[in-house]
This record gives sequence, structure tokens and C-alpha cells, in this order.
Amino acid sequence: GAGVSQTPSNKVTEKGKYVELRCDPISGHTALYWYRQSLGQGPEFLIYFQGTGAADDSGLPNDRFFAVRPEGSVSTLKIQRTERGDSAVYLCASSRGGANTGELFFGEGSRLTVL
Amino acid sequence: DAKTTQPPSMDCAEGRAANLPCNHSTISGNEYVYWYRQIHSQGPQYIIHGLKNNETNEMASLIITEDRKSSTLILPHATLRDTAVYYCIPRNQAGTALIFGKGTTLSVSS
Repeated sequence: GAGVSQTPSNKVTEKGKYVELRCDPISGHTALYWYRQSLGQGPEFLIYFQGTGAADDSGLPNDRFFAVRPEGSVSTLKIQRTERGDSAVYLCASSRGGANTGELFFGEGSRLTVL
Repeated sequence: DAKTTQPPSMDCAEGRAANLPCNHSTISGNEYVYWYRQIHSQGPQYIIHGLKNNETNEMASLIITEDRKSSTLILPHATLRDTAVYYCIPRNQAGTALIFGKGTTLSVSS
């Protein structure tokens, strides 16, 4: 079956530009997570959606980062005025939601490079 | 959330058991222990989780000490494809996000 799909797989942009990263979760999964991972580090939590609403956005580093999930399925992570420090692999994961939801299914990630 | 301590790296010979330890001495009573792994250039993959009792599935076994302050993930017959970073993550079941540490890099060699 289809897993979590992320597009683009690679994105190169210039400092100051706006970027959107898309995540298509597994069909029927109500919970969706965004993480970012820098080289040699574990994934860093950014934001978690339950349905359409952000249940926890405490990991967003600053107000340049924003994420939406308007219909409770596809999610878009938006980064304004990109900086070189934003370069990382951005990972999306989904799960069934509800109790006992620790089994997350991750996509392959979107590698963002800010020049 | 409980903090974890894992060795940065471990080596294992192909075909032998790989035993990966994790210390989570501050774990609270409602936190499960989750294990994930991340093969190079891929997203993390769920392996197993448990609360108090030992657990086994087709991938691995999880041994949790009686005081729940530590656990060990066991890959009974490691293969080259098990080379990955392994993360131990305490998590309560209230719908919170998984918080990853630095994990253990397991290298399996022939």
C-alpha cells in the first residue's frame, strides 16, 4: 500500500526565498507530524496535527515556519525568508491517532538546501 | 518527558545477537518505551514498544527491567541490513509527539 509521500524530495533555494514542502499521509491517518533532521542529529520535532488543527506546535523554531492541514489530510510546511541554517531534511510522519498512537510511519523526507 | 542515555555506537558481527541498551531512569509510570531505527537516507522506522512486560515481534525483542529504568533491544540474528541508528524513546500515550535523542549507531559487519 501507499506510504507517506513527501514532495519535493530535493529543494535548493536561495537565502531569503519562500519554500513549501508537501506531505501526503497514509489514507485514514488522522495524526500528522513534521520533523527536521540535520546531519548527524536525531529528528527534531516541529509540529503535530490531530485532524485539521495543530495539537502541538511547540517545536517550530520561529515565526518564519508555519504549517497547515486544511482538510485533515495533506499538509504543507511553509518557510518564509529562508536562512542557511534552515538547510536540513524535513521529515513527515502519520499515525492512526487516538490512544496508543506511538507507531508513526515516516516518509523519505524532503532535503532542503539554502544557498 | 524522560531523558535517555544510549551508547553512541556499537558493533556486531553478522549472524550474532545485537543487544542495544537504553537508560531511562526518569521514566514516569505512564510512559511506554518505543524503539525506532533509521537506515541511512531513509525515514525512521518503528520497531517495537512496551510498558512493563517484555515484548517480541518479527523484528526484535524488548526487555524492560522490573524497575523500568532501563531496557534492551535485542536483534537475535543481526544482518548487514540492520546497520542503522537505533533510537530509544519514552512516550506517554496521550498523543504527544515522539522526541528523538541521538541514538546508537549499530554497525553490522560480515
